Amino acid sequence: DVQLVESGGGLVQPGGSLRLSCAASGFTFSHETMNWVRQAPGRGLEWVSYISNSGNSIYYADSVKGRFTISRDNAKNSLFLQMSNLRAGDTAIYYCARGSWKSGLDYWGQGTLVTVSS
Amino acid sequence: QSVLTQPPSVSAAPGQKVTISCSGSSSNIGNNYVSWYQQVPGTAPKLLIYDNNKRPSGIPDRFSGSKSGTSATLGITGLQTGDEADYYCGAWDTSLSGGVFGGGTKLTVL
Repeated sequence: DVQLVESGGGLVQPGGSLRLSCAASGFTFSHETMNWVRQAPGRGLEWVSYISNSGNSIYYADSVKGRFTISRDNAKNSLFLQMSNLRAGDTAIYYCARGSWKSGLDYWGQGTLVTVSS
Repeated sequence: QSVLTQPPSVSAAPGQKVTISCSGSSSNIGNNYVSWYQQVPGTAPKLLIYDNNKRPSGIPDRFSGSKSGTSATLGITGLQTGDEADYYCGAWDTSLSGGVFGGGTKLTVL
């Protein structure tokens, strides 16, 4: 079975940094594009970032560009999101999701909560 | 303000049909694929429709998707109480070079 398990969330002060991880299993990770999607408390879904299967193609939402970095380690079946200069507005559940916008984001992790507060 | 526009809520009785609209522009829906997601509060989203009108395996044919111009529609027939959830449309936006979601529609099965 396909599984995506996020970790690394927590409470961080404004201006701080955090690194999220997503451990993938049950499929050939190196063949699949991956995304990070977040959801602020009581709000809708917001796409954050995309990385191609090789890591050669990367995109970011304007709201996180220059502050967040997506990466992957295909040898370790892992996806990462390095977040820096965090703001209160970054408080959200962060989901990793497999897929492209043609095939759909077909598998999602359970999410990890990031809270930015002093 | 979401790039894709959905009605905040829709409702219908069990057994009835409901449609949820998603309005965009030529930079997203008009020239890219639309997908739809169901999210029961407290759980992760689930893919319902991809490539405008295709259903992943395991999704019942009560769920359907269509696209016309810069708008898309999710249809649900034979409504069940278990269909109560938030529904989101999504697409790639060529101008933004990023993914975009609608603001979500809360479905209530009366």
